[in-house]
Amino acid sequence: NAGVMQNPRHLVRRRGQEARLRCSPMKGHSHVYWYRQLPEEGLKFMVYLQKENIIDESGMPKERFSAEFPKEGPSILRIQQVVRGDSAAYFCASSRSAGNTIYFGEGSWLTVV
Amino acid sequence: GESVGLHLPTLSVQEGDNSIINCAYSNSASDYFIWYKQESGKGPQFIIDIRSNMDKRQGQRVTVLLNKTVKHLSLQIAATQPGDSAVYFCAENLRGGGSNYKLTFGKGTLLTVNP
Repeated sequence: NAGVMQNPRHLVRRRGQEARLRCSPMKGHSHVYWYRQLPEEGLKFMVYLQKENIIDESGMPKERFSAEFPKEGPSILRIQQVVRGDSAAYFCASSRSAGNTIYFGEGSWLTVV
Repeated sequence: GESVGLHLPTLSVQEGDNSIINCAYSNSASDYFIWYKQESGKGPQFIIDIRSNMDKRQGQRVTVLLNKTVKHLSLQIAATQPGDSAVYFCAENLRGGGSNYKLTFGKGTLLTVNP
């Protein structure tokens, strides 16, 4: 019973490059959430998606960040033209439906050099 | 603004003792609370949750207490073990309109269990 799968686990990008983080939800889960965790801080909500729909992106920066959850394949969090402040752990989570328990993946650690 | 916060950033206990981790919340409209455990380099692991229509819920070695009057949440861990050492987060469900669902996390409490 695989959990939420994220890859890559660690990613290093130079300033100005693009970062793509992938997330496969747990089997049977159709709701995906992305959170960001800065060092020594709690997780901050970014975006909530269902298949082919963005439900709530109120936590996403207005520029350079985008997310998708296509009909087929994993959810993607895309960060364009990365800056050092984007360095953080990005966690994906999934649930069977809204209101059900949210389970987190192991995270993708992005380092911008 | 509305937020979830923790009283103590660190807690050190002896192996075998009981641990109590506290959390305050400010949004009286919140209806769902969760405790997560996060070990270094890993993702948050679900421990236990509680809905606002309950005061207490028990799991295996853990108990969550909810006091809505003072907007306080606590996690009790019985017979704390070295493997319990981690950062513990409480999270609050801020329900939006329709099917919106997102969690607001506090900063976390670092629990250290001494052998």
